[in-house]
Amino acid sequence: GEDVEQSLFLSVREGDSSVINCTYTDSSSTYLYWYKQEPGAGLQLLTYIFSNMDMKQDQRLTVLLNKKDKHLSLRIADTQTGDSAIYFCAEKLTGGGNKLTFGTGTQLKVEL
Amino acid sequence: GAVVSQHPSWVICKSGTSVKIECRSLDFQATTMFWYRQFPKQSLMLMATSNEGSKATYEQGVEKDKFLINHASLTLSTLTVTSAHPEDSSFYICSARDGGEREYEQFFGPGTRLTVL
Repeated sequence: GEDVEQSLFLSVREGDSSVINCTYTDSSSTYLYWYKQEPGAGLQLLTYIFSNMDMKQDQRLTVLLNKKDKHLSLRIADTQTGDSAIYFCAEKLTGGGNKLTFGTGTQLKVEL
Repeated sequence: GAVVSQHPSWVICKSGTSVKIECRSLDFQATTMFWYRQFPKQSLMLMATSNEGSKATYEQGVEKDKFLINHASLTLSTLTVTSAHPEDSSFYICSARDGGEREYEQFFGPGTRLTVL
């Protein structure tokens, strides 16, 4: 199956770290992605990780991948109000062409 | 670089009419373009994949005669919603892949909000 699940909502205070989690069922992922969607807008690629990696860090963003548990997380350090958005994880499967399967999305709200 | 535009950004139409949405890659050649639809507070659902110069591949449950996709050039794909009905109201988003060294990335357009009255 290609189910990709995320928690629906996360609220954090400005300056704290945010951790958004994603679980998937298909183990044949090649790449896993995190996208950000602001209201009424398209998707912005934040970062991606190749499936043979465990971790990737890019400035305030840290991606952790646990292939055994099929779990992907995105940590945002020093969360700012501008980080408020919906975050989608997505996977690209081996043999799936270039198709991406998106998670259900997590709405992050950053409070002052 | 890697900018994808969509036009129009929003459209309101009467039931029974057809609506065309354009997706353009502005600074790269898109060998593959994808069309998604997104309902409020929901995830993106892939509708179809189109490769330049060939017929689109539709996902299960998507009517190819209702959602006509044309990918006539490496920078333009169009989605035509034929005989639109209120249940077709949604946010339609396209993405494009350049097939080059960034082949693992898809670049997304800003989306088109369709409202069918």
